Amino acid sequence: AQKVTQAQTEISVVEKEDVTLDCVYETRDTTYYLFWYKQPPSGELVFLIRRNSFDEQNEISGRYSWNFQKSTSSFNFTITASQVVDSAVYFCALSEARTYKYIFGTGTRLKVLA
Amino acid sequence: DAGITQSPRYKITETGRQVTLMCHQTWSHSYMFWYRQDLGHGLRLIYYSAAADITDKGEVPDGYVVSRSKTENFPLTLESATRSQTSVYFCASSESLNPRVTRTEAFFGQGTRLTVV
Repeated sequence: AQKVTQAQTEISVVEKEDVTLDCVYETRDTTYYLFWYKQPPSGELVFLIRRNSFDEQNEISGRYSWNFQKSTSSFNFTITASQVVDSAVYFCALSEARTYKYIFGTGTRLKVLA
Repeated sequence: DAGITQSPRYKITETGRQVTLMCHQTWSHSYMFWYRQDLGHGLRLIYYSAAADITDKGEVPDGYVVSRSKTENFPLTLESATRSQTSVYFCASSESLNPRVTRTEAFFGQGTRLTVV
């Protein structure tokens, strides 16, 4: 079965702290795709990153980094030196190659306090 | 404007009424999706579509109907609205030239806030 688990419902940090958002996924497919989206208070969904199952290379983009580990079925997201503008709900998503549906986790609400 | 648009943005309807939420995309993306967002549940997939006239049930399809006669449109109909269908509904689209090689991200509309009273 296809499933995404974001166990952290809400996280609060003080500005400039580092924070890691956890994502654990389940799939029977050997080829799949993982995504992270951000939903700021304005409500729109903003794409952050895509990772293919056959590419385990971690990625860094500015203050954002992603750690993909197939051995633990995890795709964690770290924000370094958090800022108030990072306050949002973050969603992890999974899409299997043999189907074309996207399944999302329940999201993690991040609050960055000044 | 290019992109994916949903209409209406806000809708209040009464229990038992039929209501249709519209979704239109200008990219000619093959895949389209409907999600509902509720507190504590994240985004749950209602229906999805790989192409015109091809649709499939998602995680929570009961009480909803979709159609896709044209690639660019994917309307969602609540046949007899219930209070439990009060939610924010998001439409999304995705293009994947070869789904066994790569998968592109989904692009989302701005959402429709539906209240059933």
